[in-house]
Amino acid sequence: DVVMTQSPLSLPVTLGQPASISCRSSQSLVHSDGNTYLSWFQQRPGQSPRRLIYKVSNRDSGVPDRFSGSGSGTDFTLKISRVEAEDVGIYYCVQCTHWPHTFGQGTKLEIK
Amino acid sequence: EVQLVESGGGLVRPGGSLRLSCAASGFTFSNYWMSWVRQGPGNRLEWAAHINQDGSDIYYVDSVKGRFTISRDNAKNSLFLEMNNVRSEDTAVYFCMKEGREWGQGTLVTVSS
Repeated sequence: DVVMTQSPLSLPVTLGQPASISCRSSQSLVHSDGNTYLSWFQQRPGQSPRRLIYKVSNRDSGVPDRFSGSGSGTDFTLKISRVEAEDVGIYYCVQCTHWPHTFGQGTKLEIK
Repeated sequence: EVQLVESGGGLVRPGGSLRLSCAASGFTFSNYWMSWVRQGPGNRLEWAAHINQDGSDIYYVDSVKGRFTISRDNAKNSLFLEMNNVRSEDTAVYFCMKEGREWGQGTLVTVSS
């Protein structure tokens, strides 16, 4: 199985400051169709996960543009340009290139 | 608006069985692949099973293979997960997911004697 490793696992951030989460996969996430199926999900306290980013860098509709995704191959990053209070929660990367689809351990973002 | 409503969770003894359901609305159910994802202790997420639009392509994670069965009824806009010979490590919130994007609210399965 593809192992997804996120860092850091805990991310205290001051309001208005940027935040960055890294996600590394144990093998390339480039699919045979040429796409890279790496997504990012946000799970606010008490809620179901919500997808923010798909195929590395595409924002889902309704997702604020302060969220951005980048990366390639085995190395990916989620960035929040200016953290707001509503961004508190756990962030997961997930790969859907190989079966079984696998999630990272999650990064807990909190306000300092 | 996409709605996914899971049901069927509860307390079950090790070795027992349970059937989870997911009622879908707000989209053309038969056009999308669907999945069950579970969230266990420590908020760990595991993609348990996946079924394509007509049910001809199904995948399971190794930890549930041979014990769980995913199925769908496109006429009734419903997704199912038949869980047999459950173990304590199957204790989790089970989410129905539409094509890797929208999630239901989840249903809690607790395996305990």
